[in-house]
Amino acid sequence: EAGVAQSPRYKIIEKRQSVAFWCNPISGHATLYWYQQILGQGPKLLIQFQNNGVVDDSQLPKDRFSAERLKGVDSTLKIQPAKLEDSAVYLCASSSRGARETQYFGPGTRLLVL
Amino acid sequence: AQKITQTQPGMFVQEKEAVTLDCTYDTSDPSYGLFWYKQPSSGEMIFLIYQGSYDQQNATEGRYSLNFQKARKSANLVISASQLGDSAMYFCAMREGRSNFGNEKLTFGTGTRLTIIP
Repeated sequence: EAGVAQSPRYKIIEKRQSVAFWCNPISGHATLYWYQQILGQGPKLLIQFQNNGVVDDSQLPKDRFSAERLKGVDSTLKIQPAKLEDSAVYLCASSSRGARETQYFGPGTRLLVL
Repeated sequence: AQKITQTQPGMFVQEKEAVTLDCTYDTSDPSYGLFWYKQPSSGEMIFLIYQGSYDQQNATEGRYSLNFQKARKSANLVISASQLGDSAMYFCAMREGRSNFGNEKLTFGTGTRLTIIP
């Protein structure tokens, strides 16, 4: 079974530029999550999708961050314009319905904003 | 208050020894789930083990076991017979409430960096 796929793996941009990250979850997983992990910290949830609907985006900085999951499968997270403090690893995870609701993570995208 | 507390920023352990990574949690919800993830230098979060708040037995998965002490609100990870490949960051995480679409968010601790010495 293929895992969660993410691209790109690394991205370097200058502040005020825009950037987009892509995620393809494990086949059949209805729930998709985007987390931000700043160096030295644990991941923090940005947004959670259930199929193509948003379940929780309370910690998403909506003035600059946006995300979509149009067909209920893969998802895109965008930052526009980027700030220095957006430098982090962006992790995508997916899960299926079940008692444990274990989230499986992709390899992440390391973003550096200069 | 921190929901997940990991008090050991770093640990050094001799190969083949057992190691315990500490995790305490804070919640008023009677239904919750506790997870441990491993994050090697490559960056991917690897699921290790899960404990539900109503589970009667401590969870075990191969060399990993979870020492769940509900009254103390602790969920320590025990790795038996450590190996060089166990060197990584380890994160404890909690899901509050019953999983029912909408509350599956995980809250993570700050992690413990484990280094296994040959």
